[in-house]
Amino acid sequence: SQQGEEDPQALSIQEGENATMNCSYKTSINNLQWYRQNSGRGLVHLILIRSNEREKHSGRLRVTLDTSKKSSSLLITASRAADTASYFCATAVNDYKLSFGAGTTVTVRA
Amino acid sequence: DAGVIQSPRHEVTEMGQEVTLRCKPISGHNSLFWYRQTMMRGLELLIYFNNNVPIDDSGMPEDRFSAKMPNASFSTLKIQPSEPRDSAVYFCASSPGLAGVSGNEQFFGPGTRLTVL
Repeated sequence: SQQGEEDPQALSIQEGENATMNCSYKTSINNLQWYRQNSGRGLVHLILIRSNEREKHSGRLRVTLDTSKKSSSLLITASRAADTASYFCATAVNDYKLSFGAGTTVTVRA
Repeated sequence: DAGVIQSPRHEVTEMGQEVTLRCKPISGHNSLFWYRQTMMRGLELLIYFNNNVPIDDSGMPEDRFSAKMPNASFSTLKIQPSEPRDSAVYFCASSPGLAGVSGNEQFFGPGTRLTVL
């Protein structure tokens, strides 16, 4: 079963707008990762946030983590057409196994 | 670095045929993963190798699936005989270390899109 679940399943925004997606997970974690998958491609790691961190930035990406609510959010600011992709959160089930959510599909309209 | 390399990128075969998917991980990475991605089930871990040794194959659907890693730079996933329900995108990923506490990221290949008719 999937540890993480993203919300919403799909998101359509205008270029330049911000996109926010959420991830909820079930068990305690050491860290949470976000990945991007462009159509027809493999997943690409975006950012990792550790359990003792509340917020992290990387370029136009901002990730938050609320361990008390077992949830994380990914914000993409000033979206571009190239941000059109599916976004997945992933948590470690054990030392090596990542559990990926079903993903949020983001479409950025020109 | 070329990243994780997978071949073929696309494979179309008929039910009952043997299919072999190939993967070359990133040099120096000691962890290798095979995943299957479908619309219905999302991304599923099939098998995990550490230092060329299979550690967890609990995700392999059934005996028709087998995976090998004869050396640090090559792995195969074989389906014999293939069935239409095996149609999916199969990804190979490698990592320099463990995900759990260390939080090592996984580097994915481009995938092999398998269609079994």
